[in-house]
Amino acid sequence: SAVISQKPSRDICQRGTSLTIQCQVDSQVTMMFWYRQQPGQSLTLIATANQGSEATYESGFVIDKFPISRPNLTFSTLTVSNMSPEDSSIYLCSVDPSGVTDTQYFGPGTRLTVL
Amino acid sequence: GENVEQHPSTLSVQEGDSAVIKCTYSDSASNYFPWYKQELGKGPQLIIDIRSNVGEKKDQRIAVTLNKTAKHFSLHITETQPEDSAVYFCAATLPAGNEKLTFGTGTRLTIIP
Repeated sequence: SAVISQKPSRDICQRGTSLTIQCQVDSQVTMMFWYRQQPGQSLTLIATANQGSEATYESGFVIDKFPISRPNLTFSTLTVSNMSPEDSSIYLCSVDPSGVTDTQYFGPGTRLTVL
Repeated sequence: GENVEQHPSTLSVQEGDSAVIKCTYSDSASNYFPWYKQELGKGPQLIIDIRSNVGEKKDQRIAVTLNKTAKHFSLHITETQPEDSAVYFCAATLPAGNEKLTFGTGTRLTIIP
């Protein structure tokens, strides 16, 4: 497995602003992912964070709204841009330490409330 | 794409009894099926997983069964304890190399002392 930390753990933001969420892993990993979990709902994949190249976004998610950086094999950031109350969710990063088994481990999440 | 259905949405069982949560998937090519437990205020924790070349897997009080013909898999928790109370998610992924997990809608399990 892997030890994953996220910052901030929670935040309350005003609409129209942006928030950058950090994900740090204790070991180098090939695959890193960002998920959104809306209140009381399941998890939805936003994008795969690729090291050294642009992230791969899922249908319904765009780079302008959710820019992602992956500067190295242990760190990634997700920015939620121009926020609205509908962006209030838990944002989770996950990793597959092996890169080949599909086994993903999740961080503790960032709880975002947009007023 | 893959679609995963999960039932029931809520489940209450007496402490010491067994709990069963069921999921069905739509794409017969899916080959990896993990189960996650999410406690309040925490991220999902992987508790058990199974691959399509195996019919059953057990880890202490937790077991998962897979029926590829019927395209469904189930989580079994025996001798339930209060700390088993949480939301459980099943998921499935296709062998496409992109590791995209499709999650079920979740089951809120409550263990009654």
